[in-house]
Parts: sequence; structure tokens; C-alpha cells
Amino acid sequence: GNSVTQMEGPVTLSEEAFLTINCTYTATGYPSLFWYVQYPGEGLQLLLKATKADDKGSNKGFEATYRKETTSFHLEKGSVQVSDSAVYFCALSDDKIIFGKGTRLHILP
Amino acid sequence: DTGVSQNPRHKITKRGQNVTFRCDPISEHNRLYWYRQTLGQGPEFLTYFQNEAQLEKSRLLSDRFSAERPKGSFSTLEIQRTEQGDSAMYLCASSLEVGSTEAFFGQGTRLTVV
Repeated sequence: GNSVTQMEGPVTLSEEAFLTINCTYTATGYPSLFWYVQYPGEGLQLLLKATKADDKGSNKGFEATYRKETTSFHLEKGSVQVSDSAVYFCALSDDKIIFGKGTRLHILP
Repeated sequence: DTGVSQNPRHKITKRGQNVTFRCDPISEHNRLYWYRQTLGQGPEFLTYFQNEAQLEKSRLLSDRFSAERPKGSFSTLEIQRTEQGDSAMYLCASSLEVGSTEAFFGQGTRLTVV
């Protein structure tokens, strides 16, 4: 069945550091790919998405590119802020939405 | 209607009791999903609906769990004879259509079985 694997956390970085959170997927067909974020005390919300190969999703300085050849959708940000501290979930959807286990990110001032 | 609403937000129950949670999706959304999330894990798919039809139920879901969406609007998730292992956050989400459209999540119902 379909599945998502993402790097385990926690990830701790200093403010203004470069961020990469790896995500790979297994799927039959051509799913849409998502990154969701869960800030402390809040519900899950969509961060960005890509619906087909080579698409780049972007939002709030975060980017991820749908790479069909490597079945990956890595999340990147050039300069993180303390306010980016949260749990990040990679997900795919071809019918129902399947989530990875999440990566907790801590940004130190 | 500003989002997906779940009630109650918190539920503490004794082992063996039945509990029911409600989810009110965004009004024009025809897809509704239920997930369970435990500490340090991602949301685990339980079941989903297209309007009033239940399209899939996870094999991980025991017969003690049942969900309904009788009029294609709100949904209920019932757990019978609760066990301590049922303690988790239960999340509801809705979307307009599959695939490219994002799902909007509620704040969840936190269940504690004592």
C-alpha cells in the first residue's frame, strides 16, 4: 500500500540556519504530495502542496519539489525562525490522505 | 462556517464505557475523514466518507469502532467498550474532492480512558 517515510526528529537548529526535512513516498499511480504543519497547541494545517511531477510547492519561505524519479518531496527553508518551531508532516493523497510520522523542529534564538 | 468543528474537545471515560464524538465539516465539503493520532506519531487513517457513503475503513479499526454520516453533513465516531489503548487524539478533516485539494482539520477530540 501507499506509505510515507520522513526523517525522524527532533531536529534542532539555530535561527537563520538552513533547513531540510527529508520525505520519500511509496505509491501506485501519481499521488498529490503535501506538507502539513502542527504548531504547539494548534490543529494540523496545510503548509504547501504539489500535484504532479516537477511541481514546486511554496509557502512562508518553505519549498518542496515533487521528484518522481527519486519518489521524494523534501522540505527546505533557507533561513528558519523561532516561530517555525513545530511538527511537520509529509503526506500523500491519491484517494485518502496518508501521513508520515512527523518531524519535530526546534529553532533556537 | 469558519472551519471543521469537533466536539467535545476532551473526553475522559472509564474503561468499558461507550463514547461518541461529533464532527461538523466545512459545509460545502463532500469528503470527510477520521484519523487517530497518538503522541509522537502521525495521524493514522481510520475511515472516510464521500457524502453519506463510507468508502473505506482501516483494517486496523476493530469492530468496536463505528462511524456514520447520515445526511452527508456532520459525522459521528463511536467507540464501544473503550480500552486504555483507545486513548488518543481523534481528528476529523474535510475536503472538497480527492487528490489535489487540501484537507482541513479540526482541533481534535482528546480521549483519555482510565
